[in-house]
Amino acid sequence: AQTVTQSQPEMSVQEAETVTLSCTYDTSENNYYLFWYKQPPSRQMILVIRQEAYKQQNATENRFSVNFQKAAKSFSLKISDSQLGDTAMYFCAFMNNNDMRFGAGTRLTVKP
Amino acid sequence: SQTIHQWPATLVQPVGSPLSLECTVEGTSNPNLYWYRQAAGRGLQLLFYSVGIGQISSEVPQNLSASRPQDRQFILSSKKLLLSDSGFYLCAWRRDRSYNEQFFGPGTRLTVL
Repeated sequence: AQTVTQSQPEMSVQEAETVTLSCTYDTSENNYYLFWYKQPPSRQMILVIRQEAYKQQNATENRFSVNFQKAAKSFSLKISDSQLGDTAMYFCAFMNNNDMRFGAGTRLTVKP
Repeated sequence: SQTIHQWPATLVQPVGSPLSLECTVEGTSNPNLYWYRQAAGRGLQLLFYSVGIGQISSEVPQNLSASRPQDRQFILSSKKLLLSDSGFYLCAWRRDRSYNEQFFGPGTRLTVL
């Protein structure tokens, strides 16, 4: 069974600085997808970024980028130029067919 | 554009009462649909998913059941609620196998007393 581990329950960063959230996963599959979702206090789950396992190039979406290390089964999220609106829970997720697994989340606080 | 709705937004129910949560998707056809539960301060646990009308797959044996009576409608039910059923329930949809990201509804906060 696939598992997703987020080892940082809470993190904080100063506004305009850069922060990296960690995620590791365990699977025997070769083809899968990885995601980072953001859940602000409203509890709406918002897709931040996705990565296809067959692509070596790291995904980037504006201030958000990932460091995907397939051999190490690692998928970290880097947030550059942090903004107050980035304050939220961040969940790493793994998907293979209809099997979607989430990590326990990292609570990120951006401080002014 | 596609939108996903859930209702009710909040629900307080006594132990032993029935449950019916509804999820509908607009602007797409034949979506894959999912039900998740999120306990307080925790990640999401996949409960059920459906790839078509009447097709339900259960991930975790539990007190809940799901049904898909129409293409874009997904219902989560229980005959008798338990205290442990309290949580935040999220419905999600995926367009088809070529798009793997899931899009989530606003959720239902269920409290069982």
